[in-house]
Amino acid sequence: QKEVEQNSGPLSVPEGAIASLNCTYSDRGSQSFFWYRQYSGKSPELIMFIYSNGDKEDGRFTAQLNKASQYVSLLIRDSQPSDSATYLCAVNIRGGNKLTFGTGTQLKVEL
Amino acid sequence: DAGVIQSPRHEVTEMGQEVTLRCKPISGHDYLFWYRQTMMRGLELLIYFNNNVPIDDSGMPEDRFSAKMPNASFSTLKIQPSEPRDSAVYFCASSFGTGTEAFFGQGTRLTVV
Repeated sequence: QKEVEQNSGPLSVPEGAIASLNCTYSDRGSQSFFWYRQYSGKSPELIMFIYSNGDKEDGRFTAQLNKASQYVSLLIRDSQPSDSATYLCAVNIRGGNKLTFGTGTQLKVEL
Repeated sequence: DAGVIQSPRHEVTEMGQEVTLRCKPISGHDYLFWYRQTMMRGLELLIYFNNNVPIDDSGMPEDRFSAKMPNASFSTLKIQPSEPRDSAVYFCASSFGTGTEAFFGQGTRLTVV
């Protein structure tokens, strides 16, 4: 089992819809969770982080964490073509200092 | 701050040659990470440093790979000898404190022919 798992996609959503990206992780001791966005040919950039169970909202983005189910998700409301990118889930496995990344989900927002 | 700075941005080298990648972390950050990204394996952590000391190098694929951090503002990743399967994008990232987000450099695209 991989430490951090994501569906590779592509996930296609129409413009204006809600995009839902999911991530599961293997270690219950994990404490910090991050979502990065990576455009083709560019470096990953942080979108959001979440440490506590529940929802965290920032503009059109909402991160959701459920530690009991070892599940973290990212919702993007009012999706725009500029949101088309690969979204990487990252976890501090076992509460350590290194980030372990999932393989990413490719999101395509269609006009 | 200018962010994490990596050089070179692109490197093309012949098999068997030595390759050195360079990184300047964000000033004040105490963690530095080297990642490798390929289509097949995604983003893999190679090694990370805390206060210039290597903490975990379990991701370094072979003895051909080595990394150093002689001071808080500079790190190198060296591949000697290079092989075609080393072709990838290598990212350096830095962070401050425990369990916090990492900030990435622009990456070095390495091609070994």
